[in-house]
Amino acid sequence: GENVEQHPSTLSVQEGDSAVIKCTYSDSASNYFPWYKQELGKGPQLIIDIRSNVGEKKDQRIAVTLNKTAKHFSLHITETQPEDSAVYFCAASIEDYQLIWGAGTKLIIKP
Amino acid sequence: KAGVTQTPRYLIKTRGQQVTLSCSPISGHRSVSWYQQTPGQGLQFLFEYFSETQRNKGNFPGRFSGRQFSNSRSEMNVSTLELGDSALYLCASSFNQKNTEAFFGQGTRLTVV
Repeated sequence: GENVEQHPSTLSVQEGDSAVIKCTYSDSASNYFPWYKQELGKGPQLIIDIRSNVGEKKDQRIAVTLNKTAKHFSLHITETQPEDSAVYFCAASIEDYQLIWGAGTKLIIKP
Repeated sequence: KAGVTQTPRYLIKTRGQQVTLSCSPISGHRSVSWYQQTPGQGLQFLFEYFSETQRNKGNFPGRFSGRQFSNSRSEMNVSTLELGDSALYLCASSFNQKNTEAFFGQGTRLTVV
């Protein structure tokens, strides 16, 4: 079955710098890759997703890139702000099966 | 429109007891998934319901069960509670059975003592 690995487990960056979180997946049939942000005391919130027919997608300061050959996808956050501090989860799925989740990355933005 | 609502938000139970958690999905959403979240374990999939039918089930013991009603509201039940069942239980809903664009509730924090 599908397996998703997420790195790093903790990432500390200076405010204003960029942050990159990477996930690798095992099943080449996976075709949907969402990223979720979980703030303290809240449920995860979808922030961006990408499908396998697209290599990159941007939404303001966040972007996701997908390399199907290498079977990895990454979340890029530019000009980080204190409110970006949270735990970020990646996931992968073959569309009508359940999402398989990465273990999460705790992002710390240092003032 | 209202988001995913989970009740109760917090719960304290004793070992051996049973518990029922409730999830009301976003209006119009027919798919509901349940997850267990513990520190360091990420999100562990419990089960998923679509139109009152369980479509997928994770690797949890039979003490964990669920159901979905005709109005798409879902409940999960844990019987014979163990200390290790202490966790945040999250519910997510999506419009269709493709599990894309899933929206999560705030979760129910269960503590077993």
